[in-house]
Amino acid sequence: GQSLEQPSEVTAVEGAIVQINCTYQTSGFYGLSWYQQHDGGAPTFLSYNALDGLEETGRFSSFLSRSDSYGYLLLQELQMKDSASYFCAVRGGTGFQKLVFGTGTRLLVSP
Amino acid sequence: NAGVMQNPRHLVRRRGQEARLRCSPMKGHSHVYWYRQLPEEGLKFMVYLQKENIIDESGMPKERFSAEFPKEGPSILRIQQVVRGDSAAYFCASSPSVAQANYGYTFGSGTRLTVV
Repeated sequence: GQSLEQPSEVTAVEGAIVQINCTYQTSGFYGLSWYQQHDGGAPTFLSYNALDGLEETGRFSSFLSRSDSYGYLLLQELQMKDSASYFCAVRGGTGFQKLVFGTGTRLLVSP
Repeated sequence: NAGVMQNPRHLVRRRGQEARLRCSPMKGHSHVYWYRQLPEEGLKFMVYLQKENIIDESGMPKERFSAEFPKEGPSILRIQQVVRGDSAAYFCASSPSVAQANYGYTFGSGTRLTVV
């Protein structure tokens, strides 16, 4: 099967930089994805890493190290609106046809 | 181009009643995934369907839960004889293919089921 571990909560102040880590175990690897979910809202796709290294999309970047089964989401210039839960995910199940999500990290940004 | 449409947004059922949750995927998407989310918890996979076929139902409880995705119409998640423990948010997601799912599922806004 697949398992993913994330810290349960991270706090930071506006303007700061925060890193949310994700370690995973899977028998077959097809990349690591990240999703954001605001309270009461739908999860929305943020990024996907198939290869090692850093992918940058505006204020958000995502990193992957396949040899370490590890990735992280980096959020820069934090804004209050970034307060949300963040989930990492890998493909899993029979034929690796579904996304298996981590337990989620709740990010609290304070003024 | 409408996104993934789920209805109803909120559903209240008494214990023992049936709940029907509907999901219309994005236009051009033939893969539908249902997830359940309990308060303060992550997204738990329930079932993956393509048109007229259940591909993976490994996350579905063995009793009372069923899902379908008919040739015409939305995907339906059906919960019979609901119990309080079924209270949760149920999200549907769609993708055009398995490979393209890497580049992001599109999620609906969810159905919040409350069993009283």
